[in-house]
Amino acid sequence: GAVVSQHPSWVICKSGTSVKIECRSLDFQATTMFWYRQFPKQSLMLMATSNEGSKATYEQGVEKDKFLINHASLTLSTLTVTSAHPEDSSFYICSARQGEAFFGQGTRLTVV
Amino acid sequence: LAKTTQPISMDSYEGQEVNITCSHNNIATNDYITWYQQFPSQGPRFIIQGYKTKVTNEVASLFIPADRKSSTLSLPRVSLSDTAVYYCLVGAGGYNKLIFGAGTRLAVHP
Repeated sequence: GAVVSQHPSWVICKSGTSVKIECRSLDFQATTMFWYRQFPKQSLMLMATSNEGSKATYEQGVEKDKFLINHASLTLSTLTVTSAHPEDSSFYICSARQGEAFFGQGTRLTVV
Repeated sequence: LAKTTQPISMDSYEGQEVNITCSHNNIATNDYITWYQQFPSQGPRFIIQGYKTKVTNEVASLFIPADRKSSTLSLPRVSLSDTAVYYCLVGAGGYNKLIFGAGTRLAVHP
């Protein structure tokens, strides 16, 4: 099946710094990708829809200036957590659809 | 987007069949029903998808009644490695976003 890859798998950063997470569709083109956040023992929460060549669509309550999304090519979307704080520590997962949805392996972000 | 309701948790034993039912009373005509499996610290993995009646693949079966207001994921002869969270999602195909419900936490015991 189709493969979606995220990088890095885990990252630790200092409070106040920015962190970029990459999401790639390896064997198909994805004009649309999705970013989720998951806290321990909770379900996935959709943060935003990433659209190739245009602005991302953010879900209600998600700060677009804090979570910058760039979808510059048909196979790459990036999520940048700006001025990260400990409460941003979470598991971030991206997804792309080719009929069914395929998910990346996730990125564990820890802000210290 | 149709809301889904699943049991929060289930317990089973190795070798048993497990059936997880999902309610989706407001499913739309063009919505499909898809089930995903998620292990800790991993992204969800596709299990099975259906529109109506019964669908079977190498890992599971999906039963959907005529009114499509519910669906049942059937896992035959579970093993310890099937311990995971299972999500039922309802939505249209194409490039539409998928909204996750709470999921069902399945624990398989020796």
